[in-house]
Amino acid sequence: AQKVTQAQTEISVVEKEDVTLDCVYETRDTTYYLFWYKQPPSGELVFLIRRNSFDEQNEISGRYSWNFQKSTSSFNFTITASQVVDSAVYFCALSENYNTDKLIFGTGTRLQVFP
Amino acid sequence: GAVVSQHPSWVICKSGTSVKIECRSLDFQATTMFWYRQFPKQSLMLMATSNEGSKATYEQGVEKDKFLINHASLTLSTLTVTSAHPEDSSFYICSAAGQGSTGELFFGEGSRLTVL
Repeated sequence: AQKVTQAQTEISVVEKEDVTLDCVYETRDTTYYLFWYKQPPSGELVFLIRRNSFDEQNEISGRYSWNFQKSTSSFNFTITASQVVDSAVYFCALSENYNTDKLIFGTGTRLQVFP
Repeated sequence: GAVVSQHPSWVICKSGTSVKIECRSLDFQATTMFWYRQFPKQSLMLMATSNEGSKATYEQGVEKDKFLINHASLTLSTLTVTSAHPEDSSFYICSAAGQGSTGELFFGEGSRLTVL
């Protein structure tokens, strides 16, 4: 069965610190997608990244970077030089299989960035 | 970019009444929409898959007679919480996949339901 584990329930950092949010997944599918979403206090889900299972290249987008390691079934997310506006709940998610759009979400990590 | 809109964004109702939540894809046709529920400080749990022109597929443990889903057009899916009770109070979020989608999903802003 598919499963996404975000072991860190809450993380607090001070502005400008780097922070890494962990995500470990389980799936029997050989092809799948992994996602990260940000949920600010207002509630809407903000799409951050989608990665397919064949692409293990790390990705950097501004202060955000992602490390996908199939060998350890992990898809970790790092924010460098964190800012107060980064405070939110971050969800890692896994598509049920390559051809559907049903997502299985992790329990989320609440990030608080203090000034 | 593609936008999915939900209405209402929040609703308060009395126990025993029914509440309808709409999910619209604003600039693309969505053959499939998904309804999630999120209790406070918890993750999103998939409730059902809504397919245009056919019956919704419900996840295990979700009562189909209580959570009625209708996907009558390619741009609109509705979730009706029938005979709502306080335990149905939650944040309901829909997502929509466009035609030919291979993983691009767009989420609505969510609808917060409070049942008194």
